Amino acid sequence: GIQVEQSPPDLILQEGANSTLRCNFSDSVNNLQWFHQNPWGQLINLFYIPSGTKQNGRLSATTVATERYSLLYISSSQTTDSGVYFCAVGISGTYKYIFGTGTRLKVLA
Amino acid sequence: DAGITQSPRHKVTETGTPVTLRCHQTENHRYMYWYRQDPGHGLRLIHYSYGVKDTDKGEVSDGYSVSRSKTEDFLLTLESATSSQTSVYFCAINDRMNTEAFFGQGTRLTVV
Repeated sequence: GIQVEQSPPDLILQEGANSTLRCNFSDSVNNLQWFHQNPWGQLINLFYIPSGTKQNGRLSATTVATERYSLLYISSSQTTDSGVYFCAVGISGTYKYIFGTGTRLKVLA
Repeated sequence: DAGITQSPRHKVTETGTPVTLRCHQTENHRYMYWYRQDPGHGLRLIHYSYGVKDTDKGEVSDGYSVSRSKTEDFLLTLESATSSQTSVYFCAINDRMNTEAFFGQGTRLTVV
């Protein structure tokens, strides 16, 4: 089956720093989403980005479907950015989403 | 926020007892999903539904059954709970195949 790998697995930043999170997938996909799971466990939609680039405030994402990867950029990080970031890919021709194992981010004040 | 409600939010149950988790949506979305989240595994798909009475298995379906008698409700049942089913369970919805999915707040289930 399709493999979804995220890197790095853990990341510690000082407040104000920038970071790039990566999601690699092993097969063609129809869509891709980025989520933030906050310390209370809630999954928050960040981007629905099957291809191209999107920006939302300090966050932006780029998906290059032909090369099977997506990047999530966080600029000027804040302590509220802490949590786990997941990418999830939709398998072509099915209803299924497959999640990566996540990047755990901690932003220090 | 998408209108998704999971109940209960927390439950402790004994090994061998039946447990039913409920996912209720007010978005009239066709597709509904149950995932479980465990440390080191991320989220894994248990079962999903593509319409009323239309369901299929995900990657970790053993020990679970589902039912969907109405568009708005998707039930996950553990017929005889085991300690390995201690987990956080998430429901998700989307309105068409391969579109943006939205998640409920999760149910923390502990089997003792």
